[in-house]
Amino acid sequence: DAKTTQPPSMDCAEGRAANLPCNHSTISGNEYVYWYRQIHSQGPQYIIHGLKNNETNEMASLIITEDRKSSTLILPHATLRDTAVYYCIVSREQNFVFGPGTRLSVLP
Amino acid sequence: GAGVSQTPSNKVTEKGKYVELRCDPISGHTALYWYRQSLGQGPEFLIYFQGTGAADDSGLPNDRFFAVRPEGSVSTLKIQRTERGDSAVYLCASSPQGLNPNNEQFFGPGTRLTVL
Repeated sequence: DAKTTQPPSMDCAEGRAANLPCNHSTISGNEYVYWYRQIHSQGPQYIIHGLKNNETNEMASLIITEDRKSSTLILPHATLRDTAVYYCIVSREQNFVFGPGTRLSVLP
Repeated sequence: GAGVSQTPSNKVTEKGKYVELRCDPISGHTALYWYRQSLGQGPEFLIYFQGTGAADDSGLPNDRFFAVRPEGSVSTLKIQRTERGDSAVYLCASSPQGLNPNNEQFFGPGTRLTVL
């Protein structure tokens, strides 16, 4: 079973920030938080990952709470092409356990 | 540069037949992963190779499933005596170093297997 809990779906207006939450209350000290997304009919695509500190790259920001029991992926200016299923994964190894993810719909 | 490629893109077979699915990872990537994804679900881990050896095959559902990577690059997932429940998209991913948690996995487009 996946070690994360995510809402099944979310909507976001185009141009606004999309904030996708993830709960991982049983995370271990050496487990990383990874975010991937999957656009329809494609393979998953890496977005960002972190251990303890907040992270930012050209795609998104990752905010991890101090107790590491939850995190939020932020897409600062969502576009229609960001419509996808977003997966939050916690792992210390690379044999990822994917849950059902959050289906984000960016609306015009 | 070239990403992960998988062939065929679609495979239709009959129950009981044998199938082979091929994955060409990104050149130089030592780690290779196989996942399968059923409709409406997230990918499910099957097996992970570090070089030529299977470092973790705990996700293979039963002994009808087998995978090889004889030269440490191309991998083949083999399914014997296919069943209708094997129908899914089979995804392959590669990463530069499998044991480094800072490496991202690069996924291929998948092979859609349909068992009639």
